[in-house]
Amino acid sequence: GDSVTQMEGPVTLSEEAFLTINCTYTATGYPSLFWYVQYPGEGLQLLLKATKADDKGSNKGFEATYRKETTSFHLEKGSVQVSDSAVYFCALSTGTGRRALTFGSGTRLQVQP
Amino acid sequence: EPEVTQTPSHQVTQMGQEVILRCVPISNHLYFYWYRQILGQKVEFLVSFYNNEISEKSEIFDDQFSVERPDGSNFTLKIRSTKLEDSAMYFCASSEGRGGRQETQYFGPGTRLLVL
Repeated sequence: GDSVTQMEGPVTLSEEAFLTINCTYTATGYPSLFWYVQYPGEGLQLLLKATKADDKGSNKGFEATYRKETTSFHLEKGSVQVSDSAVYFCALSTGTGRRALTFGSGTRLQVQP
Repeated sequence: EPEVTQTPSHQVTQMGQEVILRCVPISNHLYFYWYRQILGQKVEFLVSFYNNEISEKSEIFDDQFSVERPDGSNFTLKIRSTKLEDSAMYFCASSEGRGGRQETQYFGPGTRLLVL
């Protein structure tokens, strides 16, 4: 079945450091890929998405590129801020009549001043 | 900006009791969803709902669970006889209904259910 694997957390970085959170997937068909973020006490918010191979999703300085050859969708940011501290979830949707999202386990990011 | 709301934010219940979790999806959305996250585990899909019927459900969504759109704004998840293992954070989500697998789902803040 479909699955998403994320790097274990927590990831602790200093402000302005470079961030990478790894995400790989297994899916049938041609999934759409998503990164959701959950700030403390809030729901899941879409951060970015990509719907086909080689697409790059970007938002708020975060980027992720849909790599079909490596089945990956790694999240990157060049310079993190304290306000980026949150839990980040990689997810996929395979479509073909299905809309259910399959999530990774989430990666907690802590950014220290 | 429109958002999905959920009530209550926390619910404590005794094993065997019925609970109803409530959600108000974004007003012009057509698809509604429930997900849950057991503490320390992944967010898991439960069910999707469209045009007043279940569109898709997971193996988790057994006969103990039901969903309903009782009026034009609310979307509910009922657990008939709660078990200890139903303790989790339950997320409601909605989407416009026009984009298929590419479509963004908008999530509420969740209801934390604790079964004692």
